[in-house]
Order: sequence, then C-alpha cells, then structure tokens
Amino acid sequence: LAKTTQPISMDSYEGQEVNITCSHNNIATNDYITWYQQFPSQGPRFIIQGYKTKVTNEVASLFIPADRKSSTLSLPRVSLSDTAVYYCLVGPRATDSWGKLQFGAGTQVVVTP
Amino acid sequence: GAVVSQHPSWVICKSGTSVKIECRSLDFQATTMFWYRQFPKQSLMLMATSNEGSKATYEQGVEKDKFLINHASLTLSTLTVTSAHPEDSSFYICSAREDHETSNQPQHFGDGTRLSIL
Repeated sequence: LAKTTQPISMDSYEGQEVNITCSHNNIATNDYITWYQQFPSQGPRFIIQGYKTKVTNEVASLFIPADRKSSTLSLPRVSLSDTAVYYCLVGPRATDSWGKLQFGAGTQVVVTP
Repeated sequence: GAVVSQHPSWVICKSGTSVKIECRSLDFQATTMFWYRQFPKQSLMLMATSNEGSKATYEQGVEKDKFLINHASLTLSTLTVTSAHPEDSSFYICSAREDHETSNQPQHFGDGTRLSIL
C-alpha cells in the first residue's frame, strides 16, 4: 500500500481557505486518493475521493497533478467546526485487495476565531 | 445514505470478559467490512478485513484467536474481543464499503466503540 506524508498540523482562522497537501510518491496505477475527517471519539467521515485532475463536492475540492504523486485537499472558508484531524489515504479499488486502507498520522487542523 | 452503525458505543467490563461489537451497514450491502483500532492520540490501525461468508483476513501482529470476527450477512460483521485484558482497552472502529460493480465506492465508518477493561 502506498505510503502518504502530510503535515502534522495546520492552523487557520475562520473564513480562510485551508489547503493540505499530501505526498504519495509510490502511488500505483490502480490506486485512488481518499480524504477523511475525524473528530475526537468519532469514526472518520468521508470527505472526497479522486483518481486524477480535480474533484469538487459540496464541502471540499481535491486537486491531483498529472503525475499523481501528490494531492491537495482544499477546504473553502473554514469554520470552528472544521477543527479536526484530516487523513489522506491511497489505496486500491475494492476489487484489489478488498480495497483496504492504511491510515497515516493525519493532519491536525485547528481553526481559531 | 451510506450509514454504518456500531454498537455498543462504549463498554466497561472486568478483565477476563469477552466483549462483542456489532457493525451494521444500514442502507447498503457490504461484502467486505474492516475493523480498526485506535489508541489515544494515534492514528487508526487496520486489524482485519471481514468478508461475508468466509474467514477474516488479519493484519500482521493481530491475534485471530483473540479478536474473533464473524461476517454472517451482507449487512453485519461482529468483532469479539475474547478474554479481554486492560491492554485491550482502545477505540474500535469498523468500516464498510458498498458493493458496486463498476464505481469505486469509499469506505464509510461507524462511530466507534470505546472499550475499557478494568
């Protein structure tokens, strides 16, 4: 499974855009990139998933360059409730190795007023 | 959609007791579910992959006789911590991925079970 590297922590103010970049140099051809958010004492919550280029949904955008060796999660106009740990995961689709994932350390994002 | 329910949300029991944790996919079918463990201030660690109708696959270092997994239906997987000891105290989280022939569905997680062994 591809190893990921992301910053340990990031601080931001309310209303700002937060961009978290994740490195995954040994990503495989069949691997997808998925981001999760986790609050204390809760299970991770799915944010967004992509394979290449750009993906956008109602809560975030995911930018993936052509070489796919990194990806950037963009959270627009964060609020205090976005304070959480964000995990970047790279793993195969469900048909390969059941699509299992290995979590890295994650990025602790702290949003202040 | 894609809701995963875990029960119980927390449990406290005496050393030597066996504890069963249930993981249900409420609105979708999941041939495969996963079990994780998370210690305070640490990341999730994958324990095992649970497949409906077959034996679970355990990650290296996870004792299969200690952590019994049963995936008897497409919506339910259970994890039983047998003869639990204080070192088994942790946050256990399950996830499930909706079966889909073409699209790559993400894993959806339950809200975890806080297990405390006295």
